[in-house]
Amino acid sequence: GDSVTQMEGPVTLSEEAFLTINCTYTATGYPSLFWYVQYPGEGLQLLLKATKADDKGSNKGFEATYRKETTSFHLEKGSVQVSDSAVYFCATNDMRFGAGTRLTVKP
Amino acid sequence: DAGVIQSPRHEVTEMGQEVTLRCKPISGHDYLFWYRQTMMRGLELLIYFNNNVPIDDSGMPEDRFSAKMPNASFSTLKIQPSEPRDSAVYFCASSLAGRPSGNTIYFGEGSWLTVV
Repeated sequence: GDSVTQMEGPVTLSEEAFLTINCTYTATGYPSLFWYVQYPGEGLQLLLKATKADDKGSNKGFEATYRKETTSFHLEKGSVQVSDSAVYFCATNDMRFGAGTRLTVKP
Repeated sequence: DAGVIQSPRHEVTEMGQEVTLRCKPISGHDYLFWYRQTMMRGLELLIYFNNNVPIDDSGMPEDRFSAKMPNASFSTLKIQPSEPRDSAVYFCASSLAGRPSGNTIYFGEGSWLTVV
């Protein structure tokens, strides 16, 4: 089945720093790709998604571009805030998730 | 709109006791998922249902675990007998459709289980 590999964390950044969390996927076809975010004490919630190659998903200042040639869907944000501290999960539409990357943003 | 509703939010039980976790999916969603989250193993898919029928239970760890979905608005995950290694957060989730639709999966807030 499809699978994703995420960059291992934890990641610690200062406020306003640039964020990249790497995600690569393995799939037999062209799956939809997702980033979910889990804030402390909560369930996962969709952050953004892309359904076909070259699509860019974006939300709350986060972006990720579906790159077929590199089988990647890296998450980026130009200037992180303390409130972005959470665990980020990459996923395909195979209903299985990556290991998660914990992000801590310090003031 | 109400999201996925899980109960109980927190449970502490003694080893050997039966544990029942409950879930009400979002109305109209055809798929229901049970996940388990631990520090060691991350987020694992245990089982999922389509239209109340179990489709894939390959993630269920062993016979002590069972899940049912008697109707479109209710599902249970049961552990009998419980063991300390079952301590985890159990998430229920639902979606309008499964793969390859690309539909969003909506998660409940989780049931935090501690087995002592």
